[in-house]
Amino acid sequence: AQSVTQLGSHVSVSEGALVLLRCNYSSSVPPYLFWYVQYPNQGLQLLLKYTTGATLVKGINGFEAEFKKSETSFHLTKPSAHMSDAAEYFCAVRGTGGSEKLVFGKGTKLTVNP
Amino acid sequence: GAVVSQHPSWVICKSGTSVKIECRSLDFQATTMFWYRQFPKQSLMLMATSNEGSKATYEQGVEKDKFLINHASLTLSTLTVTSAHPEDSSFYICSARQGVDTGELFFGEGSRLTVL
Repeated sequence: AQSVTQLGSHVSVSEGALVLLRCNYSSSVPPYLFWYVQYPNQGLQLLLKYTTGATLVKGINGFEAEFKKSETSFHLTKPSAHMSDAAEYFCAVRGTGGSEKLVFGKGTKLTVNP
Repeated sequence: GAVVSQHPSWVICKSGTSVKIECRSLDFQATTMFWYRQFPKQSLMLMATSNEGSKATYEQGVEKDKFLINHASLTLSTLTVTSAHPEDSSFYICSARQGVDTGELFFGEGSRLTVL
Protein backbone atom coordinates (compact mmCIF):
# COMPACT_ATOMS: atom_id res chain seq x y z
CA ALA A 1 0.00 0.00 0.00
CA GLN A 2 1.11 3.51 -0.75
CA SER A 3 1.26 6.43 1.64
CA VAL A 4 2.42 10.02 1.52
CA THR A 5 3.89 12.28 4.17
CA GLN A 6 4.03 16.00 3.68
CA LEU A 7 6.38 17.63 6.13
CA GLY A 8 4.99 20.89 7.42
CA SER A 9 1.31 21.67 7.33
CA HIS A 10 2.13 25.36 6.92
CA VAL A 11 4.96 27.01 5.01
CA SER A 12 5.43 30.75 4.88
CA VAL A 13 7.79 32.51 2.46
CA SER A 14 8.40 36.04 1.29
CA GLU A 15 7.52 37.07 -2.22
CA GLY A 16 10.47 36.31 -4.45
CA ALA A 17 11.91 33.70 -2.13
CA LEU A 18 12.44 30.03 -2.85
CA VAL A 19 9.48 27.74 -2.28
CA LEU A 20 10.20 24.23 -1.01
CA LEU A 21 7.37 21.88 -0.11
CA ARG A 22 8.42 18.47 1.09
CA CYS A 23 6.87 15.13 0.21
CA ASN A 24 8.02 11.64 1.08
CA TYR A 25 6.26 8.54 -0.06
CA SER A 26 6.08 4.92 0.88
CA SER A 27 5.51 2.38 -1.82
CA SER A 28 6.42 -1.20 -2.42
CA VAL A 29 6.75 -0.58 -6.14
CA PRO A 30 7.90 2.43 -8.16
CA PRO A 31 4.93 4.73 -7.98
CA TYR A 32 3.37 7.49 -9.93
CA LEU A 33 3.69 10.79 -8.07
CA PHE A 34 1.68 13.96 -8.37
CA TRP A 35 1.46 17.46 -6.96
CA TYR A 36 -1.89 19.21 -6.94
CA VAL A 37 -2.80 22.76 -5.92
CA GLN A 38 -6.09 23.80 -4.39
CA TYR A 39 -7.37 27.34 -4.06
CA PRO A 40 -10.10 28.08 -1.50
CA ASN A 41 -13.44 26.46 -2.27
CA GLN A 42 -12.15 24.99 -5.49
CA GLY A 43 -11.18 21.60 -6.79
CA LEU A 44 -7.66 20.41 -7.40
CA GLN A 45 -5.44 21.40 -10.29
CA LEU A 46 -2.54 19.25 -11.38
CA LEU A 47 0.80 21.01 -11.09
CA LEU A 48 3.01 18.20 -12.30
CA LYS A 49 3.44 14.46 -12.30
CA TYR A 50 6.14 11.84 -12.41
CA THR A 51 5.47 8.54 -14.11
CA THR A 52 8.63 7.36 -15.84
CA GLY A 53 11.68 8.84 -17.48
CA ALA A 54 13.38 12.05 -16.38
CA THR A 55 13.36 12.42 -12.63
CA LEU A 56 13.23 16.22 -12.72
CA VAL A 57 9.73 17.17 -13.69
CA LYS A 58 8.65 20.64 -14.71
CA GLY A 59 5.09 21.73 -14.18
CA ILE A 60 2.90 24.74 -14.57
CA ASN A 61 3.41 28.15 -12.97
CA GLY A 62 7.17 27.65 -12.68
CA PHE A 63 7.02 24.71 -10.30
CA GLU A 64 9.19 21.65 -10.57
CA ALA A 65 9.82 18.51 -8.55
CA GLU A 66 12.50 15.88 -8.48
CA PHE A 67 11.86 12.21 -7.93
CA LYS A 68 14.60 10.77 -5.73
CA LYS A 69 14.14 7.06 -5.35
CA SER A 70 16.97 6.67 -2.85
CA GLU A 71 15.33 9.21 -0.57
CA THR A 72 11.73 8.25 -1.46
CA SER A 73 11.07 11.93 -1.93
CA PHE A 74 9.29 14.14 -4.42
CA HIS A 75 9.79 17.68 -3.14
CA LEU A 76 8.14 20.59 -4.92
CA THR A 77 10.14 23.75 -5.60
CA LYS A 78 9.78 27.12 -7.23
CA PRO A 79 12.71 29.55 -7.44
CA SER A 80 10.73 32.70 -6.78
CA ALA A 81 7.40 32.82 -4.97
CA HIS A 82 4.57 34.96 -6.22
CA MET A 83 1.61 36.18 -4.23
CA SER A 84 -0.68 34.12 -6.45
CA ASP A 85 1.09 30.94 -5.30
CA ALA A 86 -0.63 31.13 -1.93
CA ALA A 87 -2.77 28.01 -1.77
CA GLU A 88 -2.97 24.48 -0.40
CA TYR A 89 -0.66 21.94 -2.02
CA PHE A 90 -1.20 18.21 -2.01
CA CYS A 91 1.28 15.50 -2.86
CA ALA A 92 -0.25 12.24 -4.06
CA VAL A 93 0.93 8.78 -4.94
CA ARG A 94 -0.52 5.77 -6.66
CA GLY A 95 0.75 2.47 -7.87
CA THR A 96 1.21 1.68 -11.51
CA GLY A 97 -1.58 -0.85 -11.76
CA GLY A 98 -4.59 0.28 -13.70
CA SER A 99 -6.98 0.24 -10.78
CA GLU A 100 -4.74 1.75 -8.12
CA LYS A 101 -6.24 4.52 -6.06
CA LEU A 102 -4.70 7.95 -5.62
CA VAL A 103 -3.55 8.54 -2.05
CA PHE A 104 -3.12 12.10 -0.88
CA GLY A 105 -0.90 13.64 1.73
CA LYS A 106 -2.43 15.89 4.34
CA GLY A 107 -1.54 19.01 2.45
CA THR A 108 0.70 22.02 2.99
CA LYS A 109 -0.70 25.49 3.13
CA LEU A 110 1.62 27.98 1.48
CA THR A 111 1.49 31.59 2.57
CA VAL A 112 3.37 34.23 0.58
CA ASN A 113 4.18 37.44 2.41
CA PRO A 114 4.69 40.73 0.57
CA GLY B 1 -6.19 19.49 -19.91
CA ALA B 2 -9.39 17.56 -19.60
CA VAL B 3 -12.35 19.28 -17.98
CA VAL B 4 -14.51 17.89 -15.22
CA SER B 5 -17.52 19.85 -14.11
CA GLN B 6 -19.49 19.53 -10.89
CA HIS B 7 -22.93 20.84 -10.15
CA PRO B 8 -24.05 22.44 -7.96
CA SER B 9 -21.10 24.34 -6.55
CA TRP B 10 -23.00 25.26 -3.40
CA VAL B 11 -26.08 23.68 -1.89
CA ILE B 12 -27.90 24.29 1.35
CA CYS B 13 -30.58 21.88 2.44
CA LYS B 14 -32.68 21.02 5.42
CA SER B 15 -31.90 18.04 7.60
CA GLY B 16 -33.65 14.91 6.35
CA THR B 17 -33.71 15.84 2.70
CA SER B 18 -31.66 14.30 -0.09
CA VAL B 19 -29.19 16.12 -2.27
CA LYS B 20 -27.78 15.08 -5.64
CA ILE B 21 -24.40 16.23 -6.93
CA GLU B 22 -23.44 15.70 -10.55
CA CYS B 23 -19.98 15.15 -11.95
CA ARG B 24 -19.45 15.37 -15.70
CA SER B 25 -16.42 14.84 -17.87
CA LEU B 26 -16.89 17.42 -20.60
CA ASP B 27 -14.40 16.46 -23.26
CA PHE B 28 -13.48 12.87 -22.60
CA GLN B 29 -15.03 9.58 -21.61
CA ALA B 30 -14.39 8.50 -18.08
CA THR B 31 -14.91 4.84 -17.33
CA THR B 32 -13.84 5.49 -13.76
CA MET B 33 -14.74 8.39 -11.52
CA PHE B 34 -13.87 8.94 -7.89
CA TRP B 35 -15.73 10.75 -5.15
CA TYR B 36 -13.82 12.45 -2.36
CA ARG B 37 -14.87 14.23 0.78
CA GLN B 38 -12.82 17.01 2.27
CA PHE B 39 -13.29 18.34 5.77
CA PRO B 40 -12.13 21.86 6.60
CA LYS B 41 -8.36 22.22 6.57
CA GLN B 42 -7.90 18.52 5.87
CA SER B 43 -6.92 16.32 2.99
CA LEU B 44 -9.16 14.49 0.59
CA MET B 45 -10.70 11.25 1.73
CA LEU B 46 -11.68 8.80 -0.97
CA MET B 47 -15.30 7.78 -0.50
CA ALA B 48 -15.90 5.52 -3.45
CA THR B 49 -14.81 4.49 -6.90
CA SER B 50 -17.48 4.71 -9.54
CA ASN B 51 -17.30 2.51 -12.61
CA GLU B 52 -19.57 3.06 -15.58
CA GLY B 53 -22.29 0.46 -15.76
CA SER B 54 -21.49 -1.27 -12.50
CA LYS B 55 -21.90 -0.76 -8.78
CA ALA B 56 -19.62 1.63 -7.02
CA THR B 57 -16.88 0.38 -4.74
CA TYR B 58 -17.02 2.08 -1.36
CA GLU B 59 -14.13 2.66 1.00
CA GLN B 60 -14.22 1.22 4.46
CA GLY B 61 -16.42 3.23 6.77
CA VAL B 62 -18.45 4.91 4.03
CA GLU B 63 -22.15 4.12 4.21
CA LYS B 64 -23.27 3.05 0.75
CA ASP B 65 -26.94 3.56 1.65
CA LYS B 66 -26.21 7.09 2.77
CA PHE B 67 -24.06 8.05 -0.21
CA LEU B 68 -25.62 6.65 -3.35
CA ILE B 69 -23.43 6.71 -6.41
CA ASN B 70 -24.62 6.16 -9.93
CA HIS B 71 -22.42 6.09 -13.02
CA ALA B 72 -24.92 5.59 -15.81
CA SER B 73 -22.85 6.94 -18.68
CA LEU B 74 -19.24 7.48 -19.64
CA THR B 75 -19.51 11.18 -18.90
CA LEU B 76 -21.72 11.39 -15.84
CA SER B 77 -21.54 10.18 -12.26
CA THR B 78 -23.88 11.32 -9.51
CA LEU B 79 -23.57 11.30 -5.74
CA THR B 80 -26.78 11.45 -3.75
CA VAL B 81 -26.57 12.20 -0.06
CA THR B 82 -29.73 10.66 1.33
CA SER B 83 -31.49 11.91 4.45
CA ALA B 84 -28.76 14.45 4.98
CA HIS B 85 -27.79 15.55 8.46
CA PRO B 86 -25.55 18.40 9.63
CA GLU B 87 -22.60 16.04 10.01
CA ASP B 88 -22.80 15.39 6.27
CA SER B 89 -21.90 19.01 5.64
CA SER B 90 -18.64 18.98 3.76
CA PHE B 91 -16.85 19.72 0.52
CA TYR B 92 -17.38 16.93 -1.98
CA ILE B 93 -15.04 16.62 -4.95
CA CYS B 94 -15.23 14.28 -7.88
CA SER B 95 -12.48 13.28 -10.24
CA ALA B 96 -12.25 11.34 -13.44
CA ARG B 97 -9.52 9.24 -14.89
CA GLN B 98 -8.44 9.95 -18.43
CA GLY B 99 -6.45 7.03 -19.72
CA VAL B 100 -5.12 4.18 -17.68
CA ASP B 101 -1.37 4.44 -18.27
CA THR B 102 -0.62 7.38 -16.05
CA GLY B 103 -3.76 7.31 -14.00
CA GLU B 104 -3.86 11.07 -14.01
CA LEU B 105 -7.02 12.38 -12.42
CA PHE B 106 -8.86 15.52 -13.36
CA PHE B 107 -10.87 17.13 -10.62
CA GLY B 108 -14.17 18.92 -10.56
CA GLU B 109 -14.56 22.27 -8.88
CA GLY B 110 -16.10 20.72 -5.81
CA SER B 111 -19.52 21.04 -4.21
CA ARG B 112 -20.01 22.65 -0.82
CA LEU B 113 -22.90 21.00 1.03
CA THR B 114 -24.37 22.65 4.09
CA VAL B 115 -27.10 20.80 5.95
CA LEU B 116 -29.13 22.93 8.35
